[in-house]
Order: sequence, then C-alpha cells, then structure tokens
Amino acid sequence: NAGVTQTPKFRVLKTGQSMTLLCAQDMNHEYMYWYRQDPGMGLRLIHYSVGEGTTAKGEVPDGYNVSRLKKQNFLLGLESAAPSQTSVYFCASSYYRDPWDTEAFFGQGTRLTVV
Amino acid sequence: AQTVTQSQPEMSVQEAETVTLSCTYDTSENNYYLFWYKQPPSRQMILVIRQEAYKQQNATENRFSVNFQKAAKSFSLKISDSQLGDTAMYFCAFMKPHDNAGNMLTFGGGTRLMVKP
Repeated sequence: NAGVTQTPKFRVLKTGQSMTLLCAQDMNHEYMYWYRQDPGMGLRLIHYSVGEGTTAKGEVPDGYNVSRLKKQNFLLGLESAAPSQTSVYFCASSYYRDPWDTEAFFGQGTRLTVV
Repeated sequence: AQTVTQSQPEMSVQEAETVTLSCTYDTSENNYYLFWYKQPPSRQMILVIRQEAYKQQNATENRFSVNFQKAAKSFSLKISDSQLGDTAMYFCAFMKPHDNAGNMLTFGGGTRLMVKP
C-alpha cells in the first residue's frame, strides 16, 4: 500500500533552473494538495486540485505552477527557481465521502535547496 | 480566512510524565475540523487525533487527548505517559470541509517536543 508517493525526495537547484515535483496517489482520492514547510511557519498551501483537470491557487502560489492531467498525479513546477523557494514540499491527498468524513494523507516530503 | 497559532515553539518533558501542547485558532465558521499532526525526524506527517467542532465530547486516542473549548477557540493536546518515540514536531491544523472547493488544512507554526529519558 503505497499511499502518497513524492519524487524526488531531495534536490539541489541553481537559481534560475526549473524542475517538476511529482506526486502520485493510489487511493483514488479526488482532492490533492501541495504544501511547503518552512521553520516556524508550519505548512502553507501552494496549490490544490479538486479533481482531474482542475487546479486552484492556495495561500502562496507565486512562482509555482501545477497540473493534474490524471486523477492519481499532481505535478508541481518551478519555472525559474529562487533561493526563497528553498523549503520542504509536501503533497497530500484526501477523500470526500461527506462533509464530516474526510482525512488527508501526506507524502514523505521533498527537500529542495536553491543555491 | 482562518489562522492557527501555536504559542510554544519548543517544549520538553520527562519520560512517563504528562505534557500539554497549546493551540488557538480564529475563525468565523461554526462547523469545522481540528487536527493534531505529528512529524518525527523522518518528516512523515502522521495524524494523531481529530475533533469535529459539532461534537462536545473531547476526542481521545490512547495516550493522546484534546481539550476542545469552542467558545474560547482553543484546542490543546495532552500526551500522557510520554514516551521517547513521542519526540517530534507537532502541528495543530484547522479544516472547513468544502464540497466542491477542497478540504484545505490551515496549519499552526508547530511545537517541537522533546521527551527526555
């Protein structure tokens, strides 16, 4: 039972380079999310998706793009990496059975360093 | 928008003792979920306990229990009989369920808990 899998787990980028983080879930969840974790700030929502082909901005979307071409995958792209994007990135997915039956499942995180 | 505040950046407790982590939140919503997540050094986010706002009874999960004060917008986590494996970062989180807009979590800044032998 894989759950939520993120690729890669670690990456070092030079300023201006681009990269894509991949998130895959095998639980048939409708909702998927990308968060970033910074010291003292908890996790903040970057973008999210409520279904295949849909995406929406979260709290800190600038500098990132996302795509959800398949229900099980949610990609996070950095077109031109900046040192301020050094962070740990988490993908999560959740089901929705009714408003009072939901839980989020997280991947193991990706530590990204931009130098 | 919702905000979640954890006022204790770091805490420590002796093994086998009890510790309480604080969390306050601000919202105008009446129905919502509150969560405590544990993040050990492995970075994995682990759900510890959750509370539905419409339930008056405080949630419990083995050694973990919450004190949910809806009027005061307070949601503290009590860990009884602390174990070395409880050493981790703990995050408080808020969620208002949306049927078509996703179930986004709003996190506090976290409390780093160290259990000492």
